[in-house]
Amino acid sequence: DGGITQSPKYLFRKEGQNVTLSCEQNLNHDAMYWYRQDPGQGLRLIYYSQIVNDFQKGDIAEGYSVSREKKESFPLTVTSAQKNPTAFYLCASSPLKGGRTDTQYFGPGTRLTVL
Amino acid sequence: KQEVTQIPAALSVPEGENLVLNCSFTDSAIYNLQWFRQDPGKGLTSLLLIQSSQREQTSGRLNASLDKSSGRSTLYIAASQPGDSATYLCAGVNYGQNFVFGPGTRLSVLP
Repeated sequence: DGGITQSPKYLFRKEGQNVTLSCEQNLNHDAMYWYRQDPGQGLRLIYYSQIVNDFQKGDIAEGYSVSREKKESFPLTVTSAQKNPTAFYLCASSPLKGGRTDTQYFGPGTRLTVL
Repeated sequence: KQEVTQIPAALSVPEGENLVLNCSFTDSAIYNLQWFRQDPGKGLTSLLLIQSSQREQTSGRLNASLDKSSGRSTLYIAASQPGDSATYLCAGVNYGQNFVFGPGTRLSVLP
């Protein structure tokens, strides 16, 4: 089955710890994205990558880091510098057509809670 | 920069009713607009994608339209069912930019 997987589904972090959220896709999509969703708000873009070994900051990149060593994988690290990390994190991927973003496909999400 | 709004924020209707969800965007240089469904605690499921060269797309009981000149898209749901209860989000993308999401409309269809 083709799709996007995220793990873990739930994650608990103590203050001062870094945690890494996993995102894997087998859709052969070029572009991958990380979004953050807070209650009552739309999705906000954290980071995105359109090619291996390259990624760009989104609107709220502070306190987060990513890597794109393989086309299939785009892990997100939430660092201790992120002041309010409790949120629902969504990973997405999309094919690029003529360099333009096409339909986005989403993973099931990871809910991060800071204790 | 593109901004996307959705009205209403929440909607409750009896089963069987036809309904319209609204999405407004500020920049008419949009080239894709996508409608998604999100169930509580889940990821987003793509419903319909409308490209700038199209005016509408249909899938089953769903019909989405795009009017770039007025900065609006609508999602029409025919003969609503309790299983349609979810949050519906729209997202637009402009050339050289990424998708910008609206805050969503939370729909409840009552049996």
